[in-house]
Amino acid sequence: GNSVTQMEGPVTLSEEAFLTINCTYTATGYPSLFWYVQYPGEGLQLLLKATKADDKGSNKGFEATYRKETTSFHLEKGSVQVSDSAVYFCALILGGSEKLVFGKGTKLTVNP
Amino acid sequence: KAGVTQTPRYLIKTRGQQVTLSCSPISGHRSVSWYQQTPGQGLQFLFEYFSETQRNKGNFPGRFSGRQFSNSRSEMNVSTLELGDSALYLCASSLRASGGDYSTDTQYFGPGTRLTVL
Repeated sequence: GNSVTQMEGPVTLSEEAFLTINCTYTATGYPSLFWYVQYPGEGLQLLLKATKADDKGSNKGFEATYRKETTSFHLEKGSVQVSDSAVYFCALILGGSEKLVFGKGTKLTVNP
Repeated sequence: KAGVTQTPRYLIKTRGQQVTLSCSPISGHRSVSWYQQTPGQGLQFLFEYFSETQRNKGNFPGRFSGRQFSNSRSEMNVSTLELGDSALYLCASSLRASGGDYSTDTQYFGPGTRLTVL
């Protein structure tokens, strides 16, 4: 079946540190890939997406590149801020379906 | 443009009762999907509605049902509530333009309804 595996958290970093959250996927077809972020007490917000191989999604300093050969979509940010503290979800969707398949989420805490 | 809205934001029910949750999509969006979020199972897809028809369904029992109205607003119903139904229920809307490859659509989520079953 289709699935997403994220690195387990929690992840704790100091402000201005480099962030990587690993995400790999298994899919029967050619999925689109997403990163969503959830702040405490809120719903999910789309952070970035990529719909084909070698696409790079970027937003608010976060980046992720769709790597078909390694079936990965790792999230990176060069310098995190306290305001980036949240839970990050990697997800995929296959063509013809509106069913998002999510990873289990990675909780990030950034300390001043 | 207003985002996805969900009502109510919080609900407390007792076992055996039923509950109805409401979702209003972004204006112009025709697809509404529902997800359940729990600490143990994470985010799980419940179902998707498009043009008042259920198009996709996840692996949930028949106690979970939904519907969509002609204005794309959607409701989700859970009957005979169980303790394990306590969760954050999230609704998402997307454009789902006709004739397209929907894999490029983006789903936009509402703030969720926190259901507690006692």
